[in-house]
Amino acid sequence: AQTVTQSQPEMSVQEAETVTLSCTYDTSESDYYLFWYKQPPSRQMILVIRQEAYKQQNATENRFSVNFQKAAKSFSLKISDSQLGDAAMYFCAYRGNAGNMLTFGGGTRLMVKP
Amino acid sequence: EPEVTQTPSHQVTQMGQEVILRCVPISNHLYFYWYRQILGQKVEFLVSFYNNEISEKSEIFDDQFSVERPDGSNFTLKIRSTKLEDSAMYFCASSVRGEKLFFGSGTQLSVL
Repeated sequence: AQTVTQSQPEMSVQEAETVTLSCTYDTSESDYYLFWYKQPPSRQMILVIRQEAYKQQNATENRFSVNFQKAAKSFSLKISDSQLGDAAMYFCAYRGNAGNMLTFGGGTRLMVKP
Repeated sequence: EPEVTQTPSHQVTQMGQEVILRCVPISNHLYFYWYRQILGQKVEFLVSFYNNEISEKSEIFDDQFSVERPDGSNFTLKIRSTKLEDSAMYFCASSVRGEKLFFGSGTQLSVL
C-alpha cells in the first residue's frame, strides 16, 4: 500500500520570505500523480499544484513550485513571497495510475508571521 | 468558477440514527468521491463512483455506508446507523477523469 509522510507538523515563515514543505512517499508504481492541497480554517480542500511522475520538469503555479525527486520519492512544496493568506494546513497526496483514490499525508500547518 | 456544493454544512445526529449527506458535483464531471477527516487526523478515502457504480472503496466504507446518484446532479452518502466514531468532516469531490479532484467545503457530522 502507498504511504505519504509529511515530517513537519508545523512550519512558520516570515511574510515575503520563502518556505519549503517536505513530503515523501512510498510506492512500487512507476506512473502516478502527486498533489499539494491547501486547507484553510474554512476546512475546504483547495488544489495548489499537481505533478505527473512521468514528467521530469517540476510543476510551478505562480508563487508555488515543487521539487520532485522521483528516485528519492520526495515531493516538496516551495512557497515564494509568502503571504498572510498562505497560512493553512498543507496536505501532500498521492494517486496511483490505476485507481482514483488519493492517499494523503498527515499535513503540515503553515503559519505566516507579519 | 464552478464548484462542488455540499449540504448541510453541519449535521448533528443521535447515535444509531441514519444520516444522508448531499453533494452536487461539478456538472461535466464523471467521477465522484467521498473522503472524511476526523478532527486532527489525515484525510481518508471512503469511496469513488463512476458510471453509476462504485469503482473503489476503502475498508472504512463498510455495510453501514452507501452512495447513490439519484438524479443527474446529486451524489449522496448515507450512513445507516451512525456511531460516535463517525463524527468527522465529510468531503465530497468530483473530477473529469480522476486526475484533478475538486473538493466541496465539507459537511461536519457530529454524532452524539
